[in-house]
Amino acid sequence: DAGVIQSPRHEVTEMGQEVTLRCKPISGHNSLFWYRQTMMRGLELLIYFNNNVPIDDSGMPEDRFSAKMPNASFSTLKIQPSEPRDSAVYFCASSPDRAGQETQYFGPGTRLLVL
Amino acid sequence: AQTVTQSQPEMSVQEAETVTLSCTYDTSENNYYLFWYKQPPSRQMILVIRQEAYKQQNATENRFSVNFQKAAKSFSLKISDSQLGDTAMYFCAFIPNFGNEKLTFGTGTRLTIIP
Repeated sequence: DAGVIQSPRHEVTEMGQEVTLRCKPISGHNSLFWYRQTMMRGLELLIYFNNNVPIDDSGMPEDRFSAKMPNASFSTLKIQPSEPRDSAVYFCASSPDRAGQETQYFGPGTRLLVL
Repeated sequence: AQTVTQSQPEMSVQEAETVTLSCTYDTSENNYYLFWYKQPPSRQMILVIRQEAYKQQNATENRFSVNFQKAAKSFSLKISDSQLGDTAMYFCAFIPNFGNEKLTFGTGTRLTIIP
């Protein structure tokens, strides 16, 4: 299995631009999670989906952030407009079970820098 | 709300030595899962070991083992015969075994293996 796939691996953009992060979960996994990691706040769960349906988006910082999962094999996290404080590593993870009681498998992350 | 505490921000040991990373958690739940994740400089989050709270037997994975003390709410990770490749951040994580609950991470322990 290829594992969780994220793209791009690195993104550098200017403040105000739209950023789209992409994730392909492990085939057969029912749950998908988006995390953000910063030095100041550590690992934060932004949103998670189960069977393509958003279950908990309480971690999404503000309206500039949106996430979609149009099918079982693809999800996007969009930031529009981006701000310097959005600079972080964004991880996608997937799990075979609801709410991730089974192990969550992480992708390699997208390192985002907003100038 | 659940909390996970890792009281050792940084540790270092000589190669081939044994090291123990501590983790405590606070919960009122009886059934839950505990994890240790490793994050090397590549930033990839890698599962090290998983423990189910209802199992009294401590989980082991090759050189990695845990000391799970449910009454004390303690979940330490022991790395035997440490290797240079073990240098990484180590995160302890907790999730209850029901409902739409999030995986709660500790703040991490930075482990350096000295040649």
